Amino acid sequence: GESVGLHLPTLSVQEGDNSIINCAYSNSASDYFIWYKQESGKGPQFIIDIRSNMDKRQGQRVTVLLNKTVKHLSLQIAATQPGDSAVYFCAGFLTGGFKTIFGAGTRLFVKA
Amino acid sequence: DAGVIQSPRHEVTEMGQEVTLRCKPISGHDYLFWYRQTMMRGLELLIYFNNNVPIDDSGMPEDRFSAKMPNASFSTLKIQPSEPRDSAVYFCASSLRTTGITEAFFGQGTRLTVV
Repeated sequence: GESVGLHLPTLSVQEGDNSIINCAYSNSASDYFIWYKQESGKGPQFIIDIRSNMDKRQGQRVTVLLNKTVKHLSLQIAATQPGDSAVYFCAGFLTGGFKTIFGAGTRLFVKA
Repeated sequence: DAGVIQSPRHEVTEMGQEVTLRCKPISGHDYLFWYRQTMMRGLELLIYFNNNVPIDDSGMPEDRFSAKMPNASFSTLKIQPSEPRDSAVYFCASSLRTTGITEAFFGQGTRLTVV
């Protein structure tokens, strides 16, 4: 079945360094992806999205890369800050639908 | 706008009892989603509505789960009877999808503990 999963459950980085969070998906019919950030005690919050006809999209301090050949996407956070500490989810939308498949999540720890 | 509002924030109940979770979506949003989050299974989509009509309930685990959306500003997720394995955080989310796909806005969640 469809699945969107993460390579690493936890990631620890030094404040100021760049962070890279990876995500793999299994269904090639996924045509739209979103990265969410979830802080403790809160619901997921939208960070950035990308469509399958793109391979890169940049936001403020964040960049998402999509490699459809190997069904992989990544979230890059520049100059990671303590406020970036959270669990990050990738989510994929299947073609023609709104059913979202979430990955397991990666917990990012930022060391001061 | 106050965002998506869920109540209660925490619920502790005994096995066999009925549990009702409530959600007020963002005004004007036409899609509403119910998710369940556990450590073992992550975020799972249970059901979603479009314009108050249930579109896909294939994620609802059992007949013990039911969801309603009587109007555009209110939805409930009911578990009857509840079981310990239903313990999880339940999220409601809403979105406005006019063209293309846009992100869902999540509520703070309801942490359900069934003992």
